[in-house]
Amino acid sequence: EVVLTQSPGTLSLSPGERATLYCRASQSISGFYSVGGDNLAWYQQKSGQAPRLVMFGASSRAAGIPARFSGSGSGTDFTLTISSLEPEDFAVYYCQQYGISPITFGQGTRLDI
Amino acid sequence: QVQLLQSGAEVKKPGASVKLSCKASGNIFSNYYFYWVRQAPGQGLEWVGLINPSSGSTVYAQRFQGRVTMTTDTSTTTVYMELATLTSEDTAVYYCASPDYSGSGSSSDDVFDFWGQGTMVTVSS
Repeated sequence: EVVLTQSPGTLSLSPGERATLYCRASQSISGFYSVGGDNLAWYQQKSGQAPRLVMFGASSRAAGIPARFSGSGSGTDFTLTISSLEPEDFAVYYCQQYGISPITFGQGTRLDI
Repeated sequence: QVQLLQSGAEVKKPGASVKLSCKASGNIFSNYYFYWVRQAPGQGLEWVGLINPSSGSTVYAQRFQGRVTMTTDTSTTTVYMELATLTSEDTAVYYCASPDYSGSGSSSDDVFDFWGQGTMVTVSS
């Protein structure tokens, strides 16, 4: 199965700063049929809540996600960037690949104030 | 929008089985897939499997093969997940989830636009 490694484990920043989260796959998740971007998603999870989809197709924002969130990458290396942190952005972020069965998740990056 | 309402918390003894439910409401399309994802306390997310309610076809993660059964009741738009031979390692919050095929969301299989509120399953003697 594809192992996703997220870094850093914890990122301590302040509101207004830029956050860059990384997700590396153990093998390429780009496929010949990866129409609409690589099969990589990002989720935000706050304590006691279900995860919330932030990004899919590596770089497409989910419904209701503000423009300060952006995603990039292909193949094995992916990035989620939050351009200017708002207080509500502090949470745990997980990447997920859905290009190669089985679906797998990274271990998460905690974004702390 | 799709709403996913899950059943309440469960406490089970080792070796027992548990059956969870997830009722879907809202703009349900006949070809929606439903997924189960679990999260052990303080841990990350783990995909358990999926079901296509229209066909009844299922795909399970290998580590759960032989122990998990996903079913559906299309008349009530409810999906179920039964996990057998429970151990303490099965203690987790179990989520049901689904993509958004309405055109407003990902429209991608295996992407989880909608999530239930989660069901805590505790396995303890």
